[in-house]
Amino acid sequence: GESVGLHLPTLSVQEGDNSIINCAYSNSASDYFIWYKQESGKGPQFIIDIRSNMDKRQGQRVTVLLNKTVKHLSLQIAATQPGDSAVYFCAELLGANSKLTFGKGITLSVRP
Amino acid sequence: NAGVMQNPRHLVRRRGQEARLRCSPMKGHSHVYWYRQLPEEGLKFMVYLQKENIIDESGMPKERFSAEFPKEGPSILRIQQVVRGDSAAYFCASAPGLAGRGADTQYFGPGTRLTVL
Repeated sequence: GESVGLHLPTLSVQEGDNSIINCAYSNSASDYFIWYKQESGKGPQFIIDIRSNMDKRQGQRVTVLLNKTVKHLSLQIAATQPGDSAVYFCAELLGANSKLTFGKGITLSVRP
Repeated sequence: NAGVMQNPRHLVRRRGQEARLRCSPMKGHSHVYWYRQLPEEGLKFMVYLQKENIIDESGMPKERFSAEFPKEGPSILRIQQVVRGDSAAYFCASAPGLAGRGADTQYFGPGTRLTVL
């Protein structure tokens, strides 16, 4: 069945360093992937997305990489800041206007 | 442009009571999704609606739960005869539902935290 999972439950990084958050997905037919950030007591906030016909997409300080061969997704955050501390979820979508399947989430903790 | 609105933000109910959760999508969005999040877990899909239509309710429990998105007004997630296991955060997301890039990007509201005593 479909599943989206994250390799590590927590990630601690030094302020200013780069962060890499990894995600594995099992449904090779998924064609759209999104990274969300969730701060305590808030709803998931859209960070960046990528379609299956791409392998890299860059935003402001964030980059998403997609490796369809091994069904792997990663989120890179450059120059990590204290405000980046949150739980990060990857989510996959199969087909337009359908449900998102989320992983369990990884907590990013930024050390000052 | 206001984001997705949900109310109430916090809801406390006793076992056996009814819970009504409301969601107003972003302006111009016609697709609404409901998700449930248990502590320390990711979000689980419940139901997907368009105006006056339920498109996919595969994640919705068969009993006690219902959802609607009327022609006018917010989408409502209704839980009858709540039990302690219903305690969770319930999130609503909306999407434009149009063709083209970004059509299916879902934007989330702040959630309703339901506590069943």
